[in-house]
Amino acid sequence: QVQLQESGPGLVKPSQTLSLTCTVSGGSINSGDYFWSWVRQPPGKGLEWIGYIFETGDTSYNPSLRSRLSMSVDTSKKQFSLNLKSVTAADTAVYFCARETGTNTFDFWGQGVLVTVSS
Amino acid sequence: QSALTQPASVSGSPGQSITISCTGTSSDVGAYDFVSWYQHHPGKAPKLIIFDVTKRPSGVSNRFSGSKSGNTASLTISGLQAEDEADYYCCSYANSDSSPFGGGTRLTVL
Repeated sequence: QVQLQESGPGLVKPSQTLSLTCTVSGGSINSGDYFWSWVRQPPGKGLEWIGYIFETGDTSYNPSLRSRLSMSVDTSKKQFSLNLKSVTAADTAVYFCARETGTNTFDFWGQGVLVTVSS
Repeated sequence: QSALTQPASVSGSPGQSITISCTGTSSDVGAYDFVSWYQHHPGKAPKLIIFDVTKRPSGVSNRFSGSKSGNTASLTISGLQAEDEADYYCCSYANSDSSPFGGGTRLTVL
């Protein structure tokens, strides 16, 4: 059974960079079949797709976040990461990592980590 | 703003059936048979319950079923149980880089 686990700071100051890592276990991160994704949920709101990274490093980002966003993958550690710079209170959310099959089907998810942007 | 439109809330009594709609366009729901549904209990990981419009992952109860007509997909939950109370999200492939999720529907079991 594939498992994903997010890790990173729960509190980030405004204008700084939000950095999260997702560790994959129970399966391969470089099978060539999946897109490693980030999704967030602001308090009281719905799910918002942030973007994905493929094992080759190819990425696709939500246009609303593209100018502040970067992702990376380390297949040797079975980890992928998210960096969101110049954060504001609007970036406060629970951040989930997930495995996506290529048809916008997210079949495995992490538990999520709450990141609060506040001074 | 979500690309897919869902009702904000639905409710039903135990044992009843409810249906949640997910309305998109001819560029997403209407164009591809890649609609998925997720059950989300607050504080937990979202769970895939329907994919490819009608398919259930292994282990998901057959009380959950999906369908599609034109630009609208639907999730039906039959034999409603207290544990079904959760938020439900639809999602569709669209060959674009916008967020593919609906706005979510809160299901209340009365």
